[in-house]
Amino acid sequence: EVQLLESGGGLVQPGGSLRLSCAASGFIFSTYNMNWVRQAPGKGLEWVSTFSATGDGTYYADSVKGRFTISRDNSKNTLYLQMNSLRAEDTAVYYCVRQQQGDNWGQGTLVTVSS
Amino acid sequence: DVVMTQSPLSLPVTLGQPASISCKSSQSLVYSDGDTYLNWFQQRPGQSPRRLIYKVSKRDSGVPERFSGSGSGTDFTLKISRVEAEDVGVYYCMQSIHWPLTFGGGTKVEIK
Repeated sequence: EVQLLESGGGLVQPGGSLRLSCAASGFIFSTYNMNWVRQAPGKGLEWVSTFSATGDGTYYADSVKGRFTISRDNSKNTLYLQMNSLRAEDTAVYYCVRQQQGDNWGQGTLVTVSS
Repeated sequence: DVVMTQSPLSLPVTLGQPASISCKSSQSLVYSDGDTYLNWFQQRPGQSPRRLIYKVSKRDSGVPERFSGSGSGTDFTLKISRVEAEDVGVYYCMQSIHWPLTFGGGTKVEIK
């Protein structure tokens, strides 16, 4: 069974940093593109970033480019999202998602940016 | 960016009646491999999204047959043949061939 378990969310002040993790199991992690998708409170879904399986491509939404960095450790079956210079508008539940086609989602981790 | 436009925003439905959601993309979603990368997701209250349909009309494992997807090019539809109480939630379309990946704004399905 595919499982994606996010962690690392919490309350952070504007301008602060946070690193999210997504522990994957139940599939060969290294062979899948992996994504972060977020959802602000009461709002719709917004794609954030993708790390390709081959390691030759990382992609970012314009809203986070230059502030967020996606990475992965295939030896640990873990996806990361380093978030710097956080803003109030980054407040959201962050989901770890397998494949661009989104076939499996984690339960999400809440990031709140507030003073 | 590819804009995904869903309608309606809200869809009150009587139990047992059909429901239909439209999704239009601002660009073709046909990839060079010939497939069309349009996906549909369901988000029940308090839950993570769950994929129902991929490549326009392919139903995911465990998804009831009352859910069907259709369309081509830039015009797509999700249909529920007979709405059940467990179908309440928000439905999103999403394109996965153009960067950035983009979602529709969502359609809230509720029971009348």
